[in-house]
Amino acid sequence: NAGVMQNPRHLVRRRGQEARLRCSPMKGHSHVYWYRQLPEEGLKFMVYLQKENIIDESGMPKERFSAEFPKEGPSILRIQQVVRGDSAAYFCASSPQARETQYFGPGTRLLVL
Amino acid sequence: EDQVTQSPEALRLQEGESSSLNCSYTVSGLRGLFWYRQDPGKGPEFLFTLYSAGEEKEKERLKATLTKKESFLHITAPKPEDSATYLCAVRETSGSRLTFGEGTQLTVNP
Repeated sequence: NAGVMQNPRHLVRRRGQEARLRCSPMKGHSHVYWYRQLPEEGLKFMVYLQKENIIDESGMPKERFSAEFPKEGPSILRIQQVVRGDSAAYFCASSPQARETQYFGPGTRLLVL
Repeated sequence: EDQVTQSPEALRLQEGESSSLNCSYTVSGLRGLFWYRQDPGKGPEFLFTLYSAGEEKEKERLKATLTKKESFLHITAPKPEDSATYLCAVRETSGSRLTFGEGTQLTVNP
């Protein structure tokens, strides 16, 4: 039973470019969460999605960041016009239902040059 | 706003030396306290969920307990492979997001 999958595992972008991070939840899970871990800091919630719906985006910066979870395919976290401060590890988690245990993927490590 | 504080920040133990990690929390209504383990370069690995004060759960050398204000992760006779960062998180009644502490980095020396 495959776990949560994220790709790419490592991503390097220059300032001003776009970053697209993908997350495929565990089989049977329809709830996806994105968290960010800045260097030397704890995990911070960004956004919670169900298929085709954003449920809670209160932790996501208002500008440059967007997320989607289409009916088909993985969830995408998109960062436009990246800046050095966006360098971090981005983790996706999934759960079968809301308010159940969240299982995390291996993360995407974004480095902005 | 939910708050989670973990202590100590770092802990060094000798193999076989038992100890406890602390997680203090402030939340309007608790709907789950979670312990995860995170190895360098990897995602958090789920360990336990606790829902109510007095609840305890065990897994191998780990035992998690919960009171109304804090949780403890007891490590009995640790081995070097227990070295990792242990994360505590809470979920409040009204939402689905997890609020994490900054973790305790545990090193177990052989």
